[in-house]
Amino acid sequence: DIQMTQSPSSLSASVGDRVTITCRASQLISTFLNWYQHKPGSAPKVLIYAASSLQSGVPSRFSGSGSGTEFTLTISNLQPEDFATYYCQQSYITPYTFGQETKLEIK
Amino acid sequence: QAQLVQSGAEVKKPGASVKISCKASGYTFTTYPVHWLRQAPGQRLEWMGWINTGDGTTKYSLKFQGRVIITRDTSANTAYMELTSLTSEDTAVYFCARLMVVRRHAQNWLDPWGLGTLVTVSS
Repeated sequence: DIQMTQSPSSLSASVGDRVTITCRASQLISTFLNWYQHKPGSAPKVLIYAASSLQSGVPSRFSGSGSGTEFTLTISNLQPEDFATYYCQQSYITPYTFGQETKLEIK
Repeated sequence: QAQLVQSGAEVKKPGASVKISCKASGYTFTTYPVHWLRQAPGQRLEWMGWINTGDGTTKYSLKFQGRVIITRDTSANTAYMELTSLTSEDTAVYFCARLMVVRRHAQNWLDPWGLGTLVTVSS
């Protein structure tokens, strides 16, 4: 199975900050990498697919980059509604595998 | 818009089985595969398997092979996931999700997801 290593596991930031979350795959996955946001009581929601494509309806302050084994999710100008849990997922091959969550908290 | 609605929380005894439903609306059910995943307390999300809602073919994670059965009822626009021989380690929130695919590039992602169904296994 492809192992996904996500960091950091938690992050404290303030409204207006820029934050970056990193995800590393244990083998080459091209751009088969997705990012999700999950809030308590809500369904997980895709933010970025194919490493850098912004899902329709997602604010442009979210961006993704990377290919191969190294990927990043960047959130610019943090808004109060962005404080949530984030996951990366490789969709290169099943079994799909996920990074350990990054919990983004208000400083 | 597309939506997946899952059945409610379950409490089961060790050795029992659980069957969770996932009702789709807002799109043509048989056009998109449905995947099942779970998240145990303190653990990362874990992929369990998927069903081709068109022809009913399935593929399961080796970890759950022999214990998981994914089915669908096209007349009800509903997918089901049954997990047998439950142990306390199966206590988790179980999710269904539709797979979106861009055929030209084979890029794929899960959207939307259901809210999740909490399954508690306890004696």
